[in-house]
Amino acid sequence: AQKVTQAQTEISVVEKEDVTLDCVYETRDTTYYLFWYKQPPSGELVFLIRRNSFDEQNEISGRYSWNFQKSTSSFNFTITASQVVDSAVYFCAIREGGSSNTGKLIFGQGTTLQVKP
Amino acid sequence: NAGVMQNPRHLVRRRGQEARLRCSPMKGHSHVYWYRQLPEEGLKFMVYLQKENIIDESGMPKERFSAEFPKEGPSILRIQQVVRGDSAAYFCASSPADSRNQPQHFGDGTRLSIL
Repeated sequence: AQKVTQAQTEISVVEKEDVTLDCVYETRDTTYYLFWYKQPPSGELVFLIRRNSFDEQNEISGRYSWNFQKSTSSFNFTITASQVVDSAVYFCAIREGGSSNTGKLIFGQGTTLQVKP
Repeated sequence: NAGVMQNPRHLVRRRGQEARLRCSPMKGHSHVYWYRQLPEEGLKFMVYLQKENIIDESGMPKERFSAEFPKEGPSILRIQQVVRGDSAAYFCASSPADSRNQPQHFGDGTRLSIL
């Protein structure tokens, strides 16, 4: 069965520090998709990134970067030069890609990031 | 705004009442997913629907919960005879027809509080 583990429950940093949020996943499927979502204090879910299992190229988007390593089943998320507005709960999720799969997402427990001024 | 629309944003019910949560998917999206987020927890899949069909309800509680996505109108998540443990945020997500490799776009959620 699929599983996503976000071992860090809460992280607190001071503004401008870099911070990495860990995500480890389990799946028996060879094709799968990994996602990160942000949930700010207002409560909505904001899609950040999708990565498929056959593309291990790391990605950078502004201050955000993602490190996908199949060998360790990890899909870690780094925020460079953190800002107070980055304070949120961040969720990692997986979706299997087999033909019988219905597309549902399996979420980790989330990591609460607090960025202090 | 062509995003996923959920209403109401907040819903308060007394124990024993019924709760109806609505979700209108993004324009052009025919697949709807419902997730529940209990306090201090991650989101858990409940049900996946296409127009007029329930495809996967493996995450739905066996009793009191039902969902539909009619040919016309929004998807409805219905909770009968609510109990305190139903208090949670309920999120709806939608995706296009080929959902496996498309990101799911979420609504802002409905916060259900049971008195």
